[in-house]
Amino acid sequence: DAMVIQNPRYQVTQFGKPVTLSCSQTLNHNVMYWYQQKSSQAPKLLFHYYDKDFNNEADTPDNFQSRRPNTSFCFLDIRSPGLGDAAMYLCATSRDLPGIEKLFFGSGTQLSVL
Amino acid sequence: GESVGLHLPTLSVQEGDNSIINCAYSNSASDYFIWYKQESGKGPQFIIDIRSNMDKRQGQRVTVLLNKTVKHLSLQIAATQPGDSAVYFCADTGGGQGEKLIFGQGTELSVKP
Repeated sequence: DAMVIQNPRYQVTQFGKPVTLSCSQTLNHNVMYWYQQKSSQAPKLLFHYYDKDFNNEADTPDNFQSRRPNTSFCFLDIRSPGLGDAAMYLCATSRDLPGIEKLFFGSGTQLSVL
Repeated sequence: GESVGLHLPTLSVQEGDNSIINCAYSNSASDYFIWYKQESGKGPQFIIDIRSNMDKRQGQRVTVLLNKTVKHLSLQIAATQPGDSAVYFCADTGGGQGEKLIFGQGTELSVKP
């Protein structure tokens, strides 16, 4: 059974039209992450939540926002998607920080921007 | 920039042979390392991890070796199978407070039948 679930699997949006990607977890983990992965590249961390504490990476564009209304759910909001934002977006969870516990990844949402 | 990188972007092996995937890291303070496997269209899947107080760790058909002197990490896959075909990423915590995982470039492993 999937433990980190991302919806939708594929998302198509228009240039400049806000889009939200969803992630849920059944692991009751404290930490949830959003990574961006472009073709043939390594996943790049955008931000993470440790419980309700939000941690943004310094180079994450302001266009990317996140919400975590409860332990199980986390959302990625892209306010005005550009063509360069087309990528696979990966959600991950861990019981504690990566130096202590490994990350579990969802299957990702492939975002296309037209 | 990334603290972790891989030597080779692609690796092709014959089914049944052993595979060795290499990784270099730059931060000598890194204390936790992890290998992930990513199949096409899927999220990364945990393979094996190792802490800096160890030199070697074995799993099922996989072994990770850590050489802290030269800041080098390798993943060995024994008796490589077609199902092992994927991109393999090494990652570490970058020697920080352990609050994030930094991924290397990735090596694409192709297994020839």
